Amino acid sequence: RKEVEQDPGPFNVPEGATVAFNCTYSNSASQSFFWYRQDCRKEPKLLMSVYSSGNEDGRFTAQLNRASQYISLLIRDSKLSDSATYLCVVHTPYALNFGKGTSLLVTP
Amino acid sequence: EAGVTQSPTHLIKTRGQQATLRCSPISGHTSVYWYQQALGLGLQFLLWYDEGEERNRGNFPPRFSGRQFPNYSSELNVNALELEDSALYLCASSFQGDYGYTFGSGTRLTVV
Repeated sequence: RKEVEQDPGPFNVPEGATVAFNCTYSNSASQSFFWYRQDCRKEPKLLMSVYSSGNEDGRFTAQLNRASQYISLLIRDSKLSDSATYLCVVHTPYALNFGKGTSLLVTP
Repeated sequence: EAGVTQSPTHLIKTRGQQATLRCSPISGHTSVYWYQQALGLGLQFLLWYDEGEERNRGNFPPRFSGRQFPNYSSELNVNALELEDSALYLCASSFQGDYGYTFGSGTRLTVV
């Protein structure tokens, strides 16, 4: 079983739509959780950390369920500029593990 | 503040040669991670250095090696290059703990 699993998509949504991505992780010793965004042929950039209490940053909301080992990212009011690959990232004691990413395409 | 810098940006090598990739972390960061991202694939963990020590390595053959210098910069060496080593190699740094990691813009290695 992979350390971090994500639905690869692609998710094609119209501007203004709400879209949700899910991610599961296998290592119960995982300590920290993040969502990164990666544009085509660019390096990943930190979008937001994910906390057990859930956290929000503008149009983005992240949730963590430790019992189910599940992380989510919700994007409201999608913009064209949100088109990218979203990487779920899980920090275990000895490694930073990336999911393969979920591709999002926001269309006019 | 300068971000994570990697050099060179692009590198073309012949099969069987050796490649050396370099990474300078953000000032104050002591941990450096190396990742390989082959075309169409996710990031594969290569190596983690912290305070000059190798803390963990991913599932890669021994011809992938590296080191971290006293100033926390790091070098990744790939010996006996194979065609499938062609990929974007990314370096990330952090100050340990539960903080997000900052990535460099990568070195694109092409093996011909």
